[in-house]
Amino acid sequence: DIQLTQSPSSVSASVGDTVTITCRATRGVNKWLHWYKQKPGKAPELLIYAASTLQSGVPSRFSGSGSGTDFTLTITSLQPEDFASYYCQQANSFPYTFGQGTKLEI
Amino acid sequence: EVQLVESGGNLIQPGGSLRLSCAASGFTVSTEYMTWVRQAPGKGLEWVSILYTGGLTFYTDSVRGRFTISRDDSKNLLYLQMDTLRAEDTAVYFCARGSSVTTGAFDSWGLGTVVTVSS
Repeated sequence: DIQLTQSPSSVSASVGDTVTITCRATRGVNKWLHWYKQKPGKAPELLIYAASTLQSGVPSRFSGSGSGTDFTLTITSLQPEDFASYYCQQANSFPYTFGQGTKLEI
Repeated sequence: EVQLVESGGNLIQPGGSLRLSCAASGFTVSTEYMTWVRQAPGKGLEWVSILYTGGLTFYTDSVRGRFTISRDDSKNLLYLQMDTLRAEDTAVYFCARGSSVTTGAFDSWGLGTVVTVSS
C-alpha cells in the first residue's frame, strides 16, 4: 500500500500568513494526489485535484504542486475560515490512502 | 444541486451487521464513482471502498471480505453492507462522489452517519 506522510502534523499561524503543507508518498503516484479541507464535525471539502487543479469555487489563495512522490499545498493570505485540518489523498493505486492530516491552528 | 445523505448508522455489538445507505440527488449514482470514507473518533480519514460505474469494486484491506458496496440505480442509492463488525470499525462513515470532471477526486460529500461497535 502507498503510505502518505504529511508534514507538519500541526502548525500555528496567523491571519494573513502563508502556510505550506507537504505530502510525501512511499511510491510514485504520478499526479493523482488530491487535497481536502475538513472543519471539526463537518464533511471534508475538495480543494485541489490532480496535484495542482483548483476545484471550482475554491479561493485562489489555495494552490498545489508536485508530482511523483512529493507534493505541497500552499495557502497564502490566511483567512479565519482556513483554520481547519487538511488531508492529502492518493488515487494512483488501490487501496486509496489519505495522509494523517495537518491541523492548522491560529 | 448535488446532495448526499447517509443513514443507517447505529450502535451495534461486535460480530453484528449493519447496512448504511446514501441517498443521492442532483446526479445519478450509476454515472459516477461512488465511495465510502470513514473517520474514527479523533482520527484522520480512511478510505473504505469504491464502486465504479461498470460495477467494479475495491476495498481497503481491513474490510475486504466483510463489507460490500453496492447501489440501487432505480432508487439512486448507494449502500455499504457491513458484516462481522469489529470495535475498530467504529467511525463516522461518509459517502462521497468521485467525478470524472475532477479525475476521480471526491468532489461532493454527505454529512456522515455514526457507527459504534461496542458490547
